[in-house]
Amino acid sequence: GAVVSQHPSWVICKSGTSVKIECRSLDFQATTMFWYRQFPKQSLMLMATSNEGSKATYEQGVEKDKFLINHASLTLSTLTVTSAHPEDSSFYICSGVLAGQETQYFGPGTRLLVL
Amino acid sequence: EDQVTQSPEALRLQEGESSSLNCSYTVSGLRGLFWYRQDPGKGPEFLFTLYSAGEEKEKERLKATLTKKESFLHITAPKPEDSATYLCALTDSWGKFQFGAGTQVVVTP
Repeated sequence: GAVVSQHPSWVICKSGTSVKIECRSLDFQATTMFWYRQFPKQSLMLMATSNEGSKATYEQGVEKDKFLINHASLTLSTLTVTSAHPEDSSFYICSGVLAGQETQYFGPGTRLLVL
Repeated sequence: EDQVTQSPEALRLQEGESSSLNCSYTVSGLRGLFWYRQDPGKGPEFLFTLYSAGEEKEKERLKATLTKKESFLHITAPKPEDSATYLCALTDSWGKFQFGAGTQVVVTP
């Protein structure tokens, strides 16, 4: 149980284009979803917290106009990297939490490479 | 300020050589402490959640324990497939979730 999927698993795009990453909870309803990015040899850095039906809360230093998050349903959250640049290349990971619980269940991640 | 510190940073073990990973923390009220395993190029895989001092949980060769200041992840008779980065994380009384830097474990045959 508590399976989270992400799509796509990897994406290569040209600088200036926008990329959308989907995060789905497959067998549970996630009232809260989180988005992280991870650079090589480093731990996960929280970017934003998204609650179903409300605006996402962004961590300090994360541009909300660049990283658009939509949590339209209890099983789907999307992260759109707008006007991507090479410095946005990273490993993006989402997670979901069941209502009333603390444990986060993570997706497999999406590798983004911006040329 | 909450802090989560994992040690050692890296650990090299022979197959069958048991060891323990440490996660020490300072937090304003612990709501939960979590252990994850992460393989290269993949998202963290959930292992355990611990809620209160004295609690222990086991899964195959892994056992997690919790005190008021730290948590241990014991690996008994590890196999090469136990090679991974092990991440400790916690949620404080404000609901803030924070990861430690991780311990990279390599188990050689």
